[in-house]
Amino acid sequence: AQTVTQSQPEMSVQEAETVTLSCTYDTSENNYYLFWYKQPPSRQMILVIRQEAYKQQNATENRFSVNFQKAAKSFSLKISDSQLGDTAMYFCASYTSGTYKYIFGTGTRLKVLA
Amino acid sequence: GAVVSQHPSWVICKSGTSVKIECRSLDFQATTMFWYRQFPKQSLMLMATSNEGSKATYEQGVEKDKFLINHASLTLSTLTVTSAHPEDSSFYICSARVTSITGELFFGEGSRLTVL
Repeated sequence: AQTVTQSQPEMSVQEAETVTLSCTYDTSENNYYLFWYKQPPSRQMILVIRQEAYKQQNATENRFSVNFQKAAKSFSLKISDSQLGDTAMYFCASYTSGTYKYIFGTGTRLKVLA
Repeated sequence: GAVVSQHPSWVICKSGTSVKIECRSLDFQATTMFWYRQFPKQSLMLMATSNEGSKATYEQGVEKDKFLINHASLTLSTLTVTSAHPEDSSFYICSARVTSITGELFFGEGSRLTVL
C-alpha cells in the first residue's frame, strides 16, 4: 500500500531562519513522483516543489529544497531564510503514474515568527 | 503554472436543498479532475476522480447519489451536493492534472459549504 507520513503536526521558526519539514513514504512502485504543497490561510493549495524518483539530484526552487533519500524513503523539505508569508499548512504527497494515485500526508502546520 | 478556478468560494444553504460547485481549468484542458473534502486542520480526503466524458470514479464510502459529479467538457467539472445536511458542511477542493505522466496537480481556491 502507498502511504505518506508527516510526523510533525506543528512547527515554528523565526523569520530568516531555516526549518526542515519531515516526510516519509512507502510505495512498491518504481516510477513515482513526490511533491510538497503549501496551503496558506487563504486555503488555495499551491505546489512548492516536485521531485522525480528517478532523479538522484535533490530538487531546488529558490529558498525551498528537498532532501530526497530514496533508500530510506524520506523526502524532507528545507525552507531557508523563512519569511512570514511561508506561514501555512504544508502537505507532502506522492503520485505513481502507474496507478494514477495520489496520497497526501496529514500535513505540518508551519508558523513563521516575526 | 496552470490555473484552476473554483466557484463559489463559499455558500450557505438550507438543509434539504442542493448546491452546485464548479471547477474550471482556465488555461489548459483537463481530462481528469479530482474532488477532495477537507475537514478543519486535516488532510485532503479524495472523494472522486472526474473523467471528461465518462462517469466519475468514487472512493469507497462516498455516496455517489449524494455527491453528483459531472465532467461534460475538458475545462469544467461540477460537484452537486444533493439534499444537503449539516454533516455535509465542509471545505471542498477541486484539482486538475495537466499530465498523467508527472502527476502535478493544480488546485482551485476551494469552496466552503455551510448547511443550516
